[in-house]
Amino acid sequence: NAGVMQNPRHLVRRRGQEARLRCSPMKGHSHVYWYRQLPEEGLKFMVYLQKENIIDESGMPKERFSAEFPKEGPSILRIQQVVRGDSAAYFCASSPPGQGPDWELFFGEGSRLTVL
Amino acid sequence: GQSLEQPSEVTAVEGAIVQINCTYQTSGFYGLSWYQQHDGGAPTFLSYNALDGLEETGRFSSFLSRSDSYGYLLLQELQMKDSASYFCAPLNQAGTALIFGKGTTLSVSS
Repeated sequence: NAGVMQNPRHLVRRRGQEARLRCSPMKGHSHVYWYRQLPEEGLKFMVYLQKENIIDESGMPKERFSAEFPKEGPSILRIQQVVRGDSAAYFCASSPPGQGPDWELFFGEGSRLTVL
Repeated sequence: GQSLEQPSEVTAVEGAIVQINCTYQTSGFYGLSWYQQHDGGAPTFLSYNALDGLEETGRFSSFLSRSDSYGYLLLQELQMKDSASYFCAPLNQAGTALIFGKGTTLSVSS
């Protein structure tokens, strides 16, 4: 049973370009969470999604950032017109239906975005 | 609002016992989770306390006191591989997501 899969693992973008990060949750999991981690910092919650629904996006910056979790396919975190401050590791986590985040979250290895 | 406090760094030697404290301020408290992260890799779940008291899982134990807004992670018989960052994480006010602090970096030496 594959774990949470994130790709790309490393992404380099120039300022002003778009970054798309993908997350395939564990098989059978329907809840997806995105977190951002800066060096030497903790994980900052960004967004919580279920299939076709955004449940909580209170941690998402108001501009340039969006997330989706379609009925079919991976969840995608999209960052438009990237700036240097977007350079970070972006982690996706998943949990099964019926279990909230206070149960075990399963994290992927992260996608490391570098903005030049 | 919410706040979390953990020591930024802890050092210990192999075989020792270490306690990592966590104090939190949050409204609508649901429980406290602990996660481990090695070298910026995938965080992994260690334990969860919903009620007051001690939860033991092998060499690791976690304690919660809801009245004191305080918890700790106890690591026994430390091994080199325990060198990692440890995060306590309560749920946010909406109960929809975990909130992580800056974590505690544990360094275990021989």
